[in-house]
Amino acid sequence: QVQLVQSGAEVQKPGASVKVSCKTSGYSFNGHFLHWVRQAPGQGLEWMGWINPATGDTKYAQKFQGWVTMTRDTSITTAYMELSRLRFGDTAVYFCARAAGDCTRVNCYDPSQHYMDVWGSGTTVTVSS
Amino acid sequence: DIQLTQSPSLLSASVGDRVTITCRASQGISSYVGWYQEKPGKAPKLLTYGVSTLRSGVPSRFSGSGSGTEFTLTISSLQPEDFATYYCQQFNSYPLTFGGGTKVDIK
Repeated sequence: QVQLVQSGAEVQKPGASVKVSCKTSGYSFNGHFLHWVRQAPGQGLEWMGWINPATGDTKYAQKFQGWVTMTRDTSITTAYMELSRLRFGDTAVYFCARAAGDCTRVNCYDPSQHYMDVWGSGTTVTVSS
Repeated sequence: DIQLTQSPSLLSASVGDRVTITCRASQGISSYVGWYQEKPGKAPKLLTYGVSTLRSGVPSRFSGSGSGTEFTLTISSLQPEDFATYYCQQFNSYPLTFGGGTKVDIK
């Protein structure tokens, strides 16, 4: 079955970087974009951006431009999200989630394909001095 | 950016109740709205998309409706496992955005 397995919890100091991984299985890695969404403690969901695993193309929410980097390794069907210059406000659970659109059949660059049908279990990132 | 406003933010209900959650968009989003259920410590789960399409495996007591700027998620008969927080999401345009959430708890 389709699975997204994320890396373990991280504790980082302010100003450091963190890199979270999302290992996928059970489907064609290149066939679906992958999103990153975060949730601060007690707060709602915040979209960070997506990566096209087939090409490495990325699209980031403006808030995260210059601050987040999404990459992938197709050989191990894994996506990564790196957040730099961490601040206390970056303490959150970071989720990867698969875009529902099948890129072999639809234009996955169209936002209409970007509801999220499978989610990873989340990675807690704590920024603490 | 398209803002999504959910109401109410907290809803107290009993098992068997009919529950309706509203999501209002700051501009028209056609039919490009989805609903998710989130339980504490768990990842969100997709319930509906395209306004009213129920994801495979989701109980039929869940339904979505609406158009343009106002959308609703209805649970026809609340079950114990439905106590959770619900989020709407628009995928009409970038940036993708979520509503602030509606927590459904036990009355």
